[in-house]
Amino acid sequence: QVQLQESGPGLVKPSETLSLTCSVSGFSISSGYFWGWIRQPPGKGLEWIGSIYQTGTTYYTPSLKSRVTQSLDMSKNQFSLQLNSVTAADTAVYYCARQRLYLGELSYFDNWGQGTPVTVSS
Amino acid sequence: AIQLTQSPSSLSASVGDRVTITCRASQGISSALAWYHQKPGKAPKVLIYDASSLESGVPSRFSGSGSGTDFTLTISSLQPEDFGTYCCQQFNSYPFSFGPGTKLDIK
Repeated sequence: QVQLQESGPGLVKPSETLSLTCSVSGFSISSGYFWGWIRQPPGKGLEWIGSIYQTGTTYYTPSLKSRVTQSLDMSKNQFSLQLNSVTAADTAVYYCARQRLYLGELSYFDNWGQGTPVTVSS
Repeated sequence: AIQLTQSPSSLSASVGDRVTITCRASQGISSALAWYHQKPGKAPKVLIYDASSLESGVPSRFSGSGSGTDFTLTISSLQPEDFGTYCCQQFNSYPFSFGPGTKLDIK
């Protein structure tokens, strides 16, 4: 059974860097799936941030691309998100998720972490 | 970027009712659409992918249809555990996008 668990600070100061890690159990992150981050601001809908493959190939949403970095740690079966120069608009629940390859293309998210709330405030 | 809209934004229904939720894409996305169910404080759970394929383990009362720009999610007989928010996601092109959600309350 695949399980994902986000970890990281719940409070980040404006202009600083938000760093989150997703620990995966029950499935190897080097087994042919993409691994993504999605966020949900308070009272709003879901926003895809980006996805990373075992080769290090990444895809990011254009509005965040200049501030986002994703990475993998195969030895720990973890993947990470860094979002720099944060503002209050980055306050959200951040989810990590496994993204299925369907017909050879990135598709939907079939397993999610429980989400971790992050507040940007001084 | 492809925008997704949903209707209605909220609805109330009774146990046993047939419920239909609509998702509309701003441009054609073939059948590259998934539906999720999210309960308060919980992660979304995928119900349908490729517009009409039922994800493994999801009850058969859930079904999806549509292609191009118009899609529907149907719950054939509403159960108490079906309350929450339903949203759609397109994976036809980057950036992947989600609909704003439909909040379903049980009467």
